[in-house]
Amino acid sequence: EAQVTQNPRYLITVTGKKLTVTCSQNMNHEYMSWYRQDPGLGLRQIYYSMNVEVTDKGDVPEGYKVSRKEKRNFPLILESPSPNQTSLYFCASSSLAGINEQFFGPGTRLTVL
Amino acid sequence: EDQVTQSPEALRLQEGESSSLNCSYTVSGLRGLFWYRQDPGKGPEFLFTLYSAGEEKEKERLKATLTKKESFLHITAPKPEDSATYLCAVQPGSARQLTFGSGTQLTVLP
Repeated sequence: EAQVTQNPRYLITVTGKKLTVTCSQNMNHEYMSWYRQDPGLGLRQIYYSMNVEVTDKGDVPEGYKVSRKEKRNFPLILESPSPNQTSLYFCASSSLAGINEQFFGPGTRLTVL
Repeated sequence: EDQVTQSPEALRLQEGESSSLNCSYTVSGLRGLFWYRQDPGKGPEFLFTLYSAGEEKEKERLKATLTKKESFLHITAPKPEDSATYLCAVQPGSARQLTFGSGTQLTVLP
């Protein structure tokens, strides 16, 4: 089954404790992306990657890091989380030619205390 | 700056009561406008792509239309299973990114 998986689905942590949210896709997609979703603000892109070792900033990259060492994986790293990073995070993937049709993961709800 | 504004924020309909959702946009060189559906607790799911003014796409009870400044998602005779948040997104001409609106939360009552 074609899918995007994220782990963990729920995470409660404390300010400053480094964390990683994993994302994996099994569709051989070149394009992968991370979004955060906040009430009233919609989906905002954090980082995206057009292929292995190629990443670029989205609209709200501050406080986040990503890496793309393998085509299928695109982890999101918060090195020193702060309460304003409390949000619902989505990973998505698509072909390069079809980034209009992105396949989204189930989401990770992060709370930073 | 690219902007996408959706209205209304929330809409409650009786089953069978047709209506429209609006997505207005300002973008430099529109490459495409897209509609997604998001169910509670899930990631968005792609519905339609529209590329040029005058274009229409249909899927079951949904029809999406596009003008030079806005898009409409028409819902004909909705059913409770159409309840979801509908998201609109645009891709500017030169960008490899989508800009999303904040969505319309649709509730269809039986």
